[in-house]
Amino acid sequence: DTAVSQTPKYLVTQMGNDKSIKCEQNLGHDTMYWYKQDSKKFLKIMFSYNNKELIINETVPNRFSPKSPDKAHLNLHINSLELGDSAVYFCASSQGRGGTEAFFGQGTRLTVV
Amino acid sequence: AQSVTQLGSHVSVSEGALVLLRCNYSSSVPPYLFWYVQYPNQGLQLLLKYTTGATLVKGINGFEAEFKKSETSFHLTKPSAHMSDAAEYFCAVYNTNAGKSTFGDGTTLTVKP
Repeated sequence: DTAVSQTPKYLVTQMGNDKSIKCEQNLGHDTMYWYKQDSKKFLKIMFSYNNKELIINETVPNRFSPKSPDKAHLNLHINSLELGDSAVYFCASSQGRGGTEAFFGQGTRLTVV
Repeated sequence: AQSVTQLGSHVSVSEGALVLLRCNYSSSVPPYLFWYVQYPNQGLQLLLKYTTGATLVKGINGFEAEFKKSETSFHLTKPSAHMSDAAEYFCAVYNTNAGKSTFGDGTTLTVKP
């Protein structure tokens, strides 16, 4: 039974398109995150939601818009995709605002061509 | 501000040899420290964490880490490397004031037969 699941696992799309990545967690956690991992494997936090409230919003282009319909779901919508958006996007969740371990999804490999 | 420095982006050891992955942190408040492992094409998985109390922390798969406040270090060790330990390892620090975790750049561990 997957704890943090993301869909799709792979996403190949053309520049300029709009795409969404979905994430769901069944751990009962109240905090969810989006991370971006680039080709050098550097991992950077993008957003964090606690009980559907946005609590962390790093310096991310406003083409990226997270949405949390409930505390078990956190989706990421990306408008006008650019080549530089190609990366692996990880969803994660934790109990509390981050002082505990984070559980990561398997990642979504986004390739913009 | 908080930061994490992982010394050595690539570490190579022989099977059965000691594994030592270095992590130094800076934090203006007592930190929570984590080590995560990422196997190819997977998400991150917690190895171990330090919050308070005993400074020597034991984790999964035979790994352990010691929190040394005077050296601002949290190095990860394993007495005897196994082929299955080959992966990417991330050190992370959680700052209670900032309410977020910062990840190091990762260390790729290669285990030679």
